[in-house]
Amino acid sequence: DIQMTQSPSSLSASVGDRVTITCRASQSISTSLNWYQQKPGKAPNLLIYAASSLPSGVPSRFSGSGSGTDFTLTISGLQYEDLATYYCQQSYTTPRTFGQGTKLGIK
Amino acid sequence: QVKLQESGPGLVKPSETLSLTCTVSGGSISDYYWTWIRQPPGKGLEWIGFMYYSGSTNYNPSLESRVTISVDTSKNQFSLKLNSVTAADTAVYYCAGEGSGPSFDCWGQGTLVTVSS
Repeated sequence: DIQMTQSPSSLSASVGDRVTITCRASQSISTSLNWYQQKPGKAPNLLIYAASSLPSGVPSRFSGSGSGTDFTLTISGLQYEDLATYYCQQSYTTPRTFGQGTKLGIK
Repeated sequence: QVKLQESGPGLVKPSETLSLTCTVSGGSISDYYWTWIRQPPGKGLEWIGFMYYSGSTNYNPSLESRVTISVDTSKNQFSLKLNSVTAADTAVYYCAGEGSGPSFDCWGQGTLVTVSS
């Protein structure tokens, strides 16, 4: 299985801050990397697909980058509603695997 | 817009079979790879497996010996069966659709299944 490792496991930031979450794969996965946002008590929601593509309806303050083994999710201008846990997930091969999650709090 | 809704018992006894159904509305059963994902309380996400409407399946090797996913195209539903459950199978179970990203484009709200006598 491909192991996905996120850092940090948790962080706290202020409204308006630029926030960066990283995800590392245990082997190269090209750009087959997705990001999800999970708000408390809710199902995850697709945030970024294919490493850097935004689905329609996702605010433009979210962006993704990377290829191979190292990936980044950036939130430019943090908002209160961004309080959530963020997961990366590889779609390069099966079994599909997720990172352990990054819990984002608002100061 | 595709909507998914899980249904099934919220309590299952140890050694018995967990059975859940996901009803798809607002889209075609041929649009996605139909997927089950679970999340133990307070923990991360685990992919269980998927099935395409044509019948092809792919399961997580860690669960493969106990899992069956099936699709009923006439009802726009797909189902999960997990047998010989233990307390470690207690989780919120989500149905989801994997699209062409490939990514999990749509999700059900999730249903908590507790394994306990």
